[in-house]
Amino acid sequence: GAGVSQSPSNKVTEKGKDVELRCDPISGHTALYWYRQSLGQGLEFLIYFQGNSAPDKSGLPSDRFSAERTGGSVSTLTIQRTQQEDSAVYLCASSLAGGVGETQYFGPGTRLLVL
Amino acid sequence: AQSVTQLDSQVPVFEEAPVELRCNYSSSVSVYLFWYVQYPNQGLQLLLKYLSGSTLVKSINGFEAEFNKSQTSFHLRKPSVHISDTAEYFCAVSVDTGFQKLVFGTGTRLLVSP
Repeated sequence: GAGVSQSPSNKVTEKGKDVELRCDPISGHTALYWYRQSLGQGLEFLIYFQGNSAPDKSGLPSDRFSAERTGGSVSTLTIQRTQQEDSAVYLCASSLAGGVGETQYFGPGTRLLVL
Repeated sequence: AQSVTQLDSQVPVFEEAPVELRCNYSSSVSVYLFWYVQYPNQGLQLLLKYLSGSTLVKSINGFEAEFNKSQTSFHLRKPSVHISDTAEYFCAVSVDTGFQKLVFGTGTRLLVSP
């Protein structure tokens, strides 16, 4: 595609529910990243994929958070038993090969609100 | 660990005035530096980056930033701003960890008024 796309653009859920956030990276990009943008915390790295593998999951805030990537393309970030502090904008980015200095291209984000 | 400080959360400026958005980083190893811009209701876009070589890097829309190793700074400047430059600007740093993980500052909101 022309750019990174994410769905849904907005998600409102009740505390305790599970949510799935989807990211479609730029075609041909092997590297995929998830970040979280929240008030007071700025932009935080969550997880990095190279192909279907996740060599770095160090930013996932708790075991309620998980992510997978299939076919070296689409990625899904799942948050189980959502809490109010999970409310944030979740951003996905992709780059060609994950190398140093490469530009990361960001999607428009999914705005998650946990009531 | 690396960190990025953007001291100014908001910078108001009049159109056609110069502006400087400050960014300082801390790292014990060589870094790569980036400025990203987020226009209202849009995603993050790369504005410019420093990898190596000339310490002064420029964007296509008139912004420039200078890498200053001794000051550990990468301030963003524009000599004359436009209303359309109103956006949030994020400074980010990465190191060679085998992949490029970006560490972002908290952002500076640039507000340009007529």
